[in-house]
Amino acid sequence: DIQMTQTPSSLSASVGDRVSITCRASQGISRFLNWYQQKPGKAPKLLVYSASTLQGGVPSRFSGSGSGTDFTLTISSLQPEDFATYFCQQTYYTPWTFGQGTKVDVK
Amino acid sequence: EVQLVQSGAEVKKPGQPLKISCRTSGYIFGDYWIAWVRQMPGKGLEWLGMIYPADSDTRYSPSFQGQVTITVDNSITTAYLQWSSLEASDNAMYFCARHSGSGSFSGDYWGQGTQVIVSS
Repeated sequence: DIQMTQTPSSLSASVGDRVSITCRASQGISRFLNWYQQKPGKAPKLLVYSASTLQGGVPSRFSGSGSGTDFTLTISSLQPEDFATYFCQQTYYTPWTFGQGTKVDVK
Repeated sequence: EVQLVQSGAEVKKPGQPLKISCRTSGYIFGDYWIAWVRQMPGKGLEWLGMIYPADSDTRYSPSFQGQVTITVDNSITTAYLQWSSLEASDNAMYFCARHSGSGSFSGDYWGQGTQVIVSS
């Protein structure tokens, strides 16, 4: 299985902060990397696919970058509705594995 | 409008069988994979497996192979996740998700989740 390692596992930030979350794959996955946001009691929501393509309707403050083994999700200016948990997922080889998640909470 | 609507919460005893469903609408069922994802209380997301309705091609995570079965009924555009004998460790929320059949394979639509409680 491809292991996905997300860092940090949690972070505290304020509204307006720039936030970055990293995801590292145990082997190259080209650009088959997706980012999801999950709020408590809700299903995950797709934010970014193919490493850097924003899903329709997702605010432009979200961006994704990377290829191969190293990927980053960046929120340019954190908004109140962005406090949530974020997961990366590789869809290069089955099983399609997730990172362990990064919880973004209020500083 | 694309929708994935999952069956309601279940309370079961260890050893009992269970089948939960994911009813889809608003798109061509056979053109997308349906994946199942587990989330244990307070934990992350785990990919159980997926099925391609057009030909019933099914892939399982080695961690869940033999523990669950994924099927579809194309006549009612519904996917299923089933257990023959539940264990306490199956206590979790289960999500279904639609994944594109090509390109990025991203999960763009998700069901609302089905809570499975296994308790003696």
